[in-house]
Amino acid sequence: AQTVTQSQPEMSVQEAETVTLSCTYDTSESDYYLFWYKQPPSRQMILVIRQEAYKQQNATENRFSVNFQKAAKSFSLKISDSQLGDAAMYFCAYRNPTSGTYKYIFGTGTRLKVLA
Amino acid sequence: SQTIHQWPATLVQPVGSPLSLECTVEGTSNPNLYWYRQAAGRGLQLLFYSVGIGQISSEVPQNLSASRPQDRQFILSSKKLLLSDSGFYLCAWRGRESGNTIYFGEGSWLTVV
Repeated sequence: AQTVTQSQPEMSVQEAETVTLSCTYDTSESDYYLFWYKQPPSRQMILVIRQEAYKQQNATENRFSVNFQKAAKSFSLKISDSQLGDAAMYFCAYRNPTSGTYKYIFGTGTRLKVLA
Repeated sequence: SQTIHQWPATLVQPVGSPLSLECTVEGTSNPNLYWYRQAAGRGLQLLFYSVGIGQISSEVPQNLSASRPQDRQFILSSKKLLLSDSGFYLCAWRGRESGNTIYFGEGSWLTVV
């Protein structure tokens, strides 16, 4: 069964610095999608970035980028120039579109604190 | 554009009372719909998903049920709530317009007392 693991329950970063959140997953599939979602105090889940497994190039969205290591089954999120508004829970998620189950599997999350 | 709304946003219910949370998606057709629960300090647990009207898949045996009476409507129900049903409930959708990305509603806080 596919699993997603976020080993860092909590991380802290100084404002304007860079932080990396870790995510590993377990799958025997070769075609899948990976996501990072942000959940601020409002609890609304917001898509941060996504990565298709067949793409070797790491996805980037402004200050957010990923380090996708397919062989290692690792999908980390790098936040550059951290801002106070980045403080939130961050969830890593996986989906295998060929499984037919339509399920998205989430990690347990990492709470990011941004220090002024 | 597509929007998803769920309500009520917050509710406090006594043990043994019924529950009905509603979720509606606009701007798409035949979406996949999901109900997740997030217990305090924990990750997201998939409760139900639906790929079409009347088609419900249950992931976790419990006293909750889901129904999809219309294409873009997804309802989470319970006949008798338990204390352990307390948590944050999220509805989500995925459709042709979203590709392989799932998008969430605003969430509903349920406190069972």
